[in-house]
Amino acid sequence: DAMVIQNPRYQVTQFGKPVTLSCSQTLNHNVMYWYQQKSSQAPKLLFHYYDKDFNNEADTPDNFQSRRPNTSFCFLDIRSPGLGDAAMYLCATSRDPGGGAGAKNIQYFGAGTRLSVL
Amino acid sequence: GQNIDQPTEMTATEGAIVQINCTYQTSGFNGLFWYQQHAGEAPTFLSYNVLDGLEEKGRFSSFLSRSKGYSYLLLKELQMKDSASYLCAVRDANTDKLIFGTGTRLQVFP
Repeated sequence: DAMVIQNPRYQVTQFGKPVTLSCSQTLNHNVMYWYQQKSSQAPKLLFHYYDKDFNNEADTPDNFQSRRPNTSFCFLDIRSPGLGDAAMYLCATSRDPGGGAGAKNIQYFGAGTRLSVL
Repeated sequence: GQNIDQPTEMTATEGAIVQINCTYQTSGFNGLFWYQQHAGEAPTFLSYNVLDGLEEKGRFSSFLSRSKGYSYLLLKELQMKDSASYLCAVRDANTDKLIFGTGTRLQVFP
């Protein structure tokens, strides 16, 4: 059974045309993450939600926004996609963010959305 | 600073054993993860080490030495389906974030 579901798997948008990527989870995890991964590069954390608390990375462009209307869903909004935003966008979830008391708090990833910008 | 180093590419033969190394430098350490990522797919969790030593799980084992900032992933009895990228990730104790390496692309040949 799929646990972290991303839609769509492939998204094509035009330069400057807003696009929304979605992520849902059936794990009831508290934390949801969005990563950007370009070809042959490491996943780069954009932001994460711990419950309703939004945590933005310092180097995430303002062009990227996120919403988490409830525990199960999280959205990534790219307000004005540029050619440099073409990448795989990965959603991940974990029970809690840290490793306190030896907790693994494994991050489980969705299949990703590959974004192309024309 | 934070830095994760792993080889870019490795090749091996079906049935063989391969060891993928990872060295790291982080301001605080709270666990090391290995993920497998097939081309165009999401990373899949393989193993977790927080204490020194070897963790074995079927054909895959992972080793950690915190004093050396070093880990390796050992894959035994390689199969063609093991061809993938293997990502080493360290959880930073100060931020709880995962810092990923760029991955090691493993190709298994018949």
